[in-house]
Amino acid sequence: SQQGEEDPQALSIQEGENATMNCSYKTSINNLQWYRQNSGRGLVHLILIRSNEREKHSGRLRVTLDTSKKSSSLLITASRAADTASYFCATDGTGANNLFFGTGTRLTVIP
Amino acid sequence: DVKVTQSSRYLVKRTGEKVFLECVQDMDHENMFWYRQDPGLGLRLIYFSYDVKMKEKGDIPEGYSVSREKKERFSLILESASTNQTSMYLCASTGVHNQPQHFGDGTRLSIL
Repeated sequence: SQQGEEDPQALSIQEGENATMNCSYKTSINNLQWYRQNSGRGLVHLILIRSNEREKHSGRLRVTLDTSKKSSSLLITASRAADTASYFCATDGTGANNLFFGTGTRLTVIP
Repeated sequence: DVKVTQSSRYLVKRTGEKVFLECVQDMDHENMFWYRQDPGLGLRLIYFSYDVKMKEKGDIPEGYSVSREKKERFSLILESASTNQTSMYLCASTGVHNQPQHFGDGTRLSIL
């Protein structure tokens, strides 16, 4: 399977702290994406990083990509209770017509 | 904003029934996808379609079929529902296949 894997599976932090989630994948990619899912809802796209990029920022989100290690990390700074959700990485895999999603990290931010 | 609408948020059906899950998108996207999501297994691709009347199998197509008669609508069909198909089903669409996907809110299907 080309499915990625997030680490940790679950993370609990205090409001205001930073949250870091990691993603490892298996094949060469064109890009890697991060999504967020609130409980019982669909996924929402957060950020896309191309294989020739090493770091990307969007608001309080910072994503890094290391293609030599086939890994990515998502950092959420100054977390808020509203950031409580599951976070998924997704890779395209060169030649693939679809995305491969990881198993997700469940983030809980305690007010 | 792209809107992907799934016909039901919650659905309860009986074993052996034929079940239809409907998905409609309003952005003229070529690509549409059906996933199922189970605890600990993440999202698994069932089928996808890159054009009207075109379909391709994903990772777990067994027990499912799909229909795409119009560009905006992608239907998932459970030919004879079984209890192991109880799951959350998510539909998504995108204009270019490896670009961000837009998801519906999901259908939580229970097969009794």
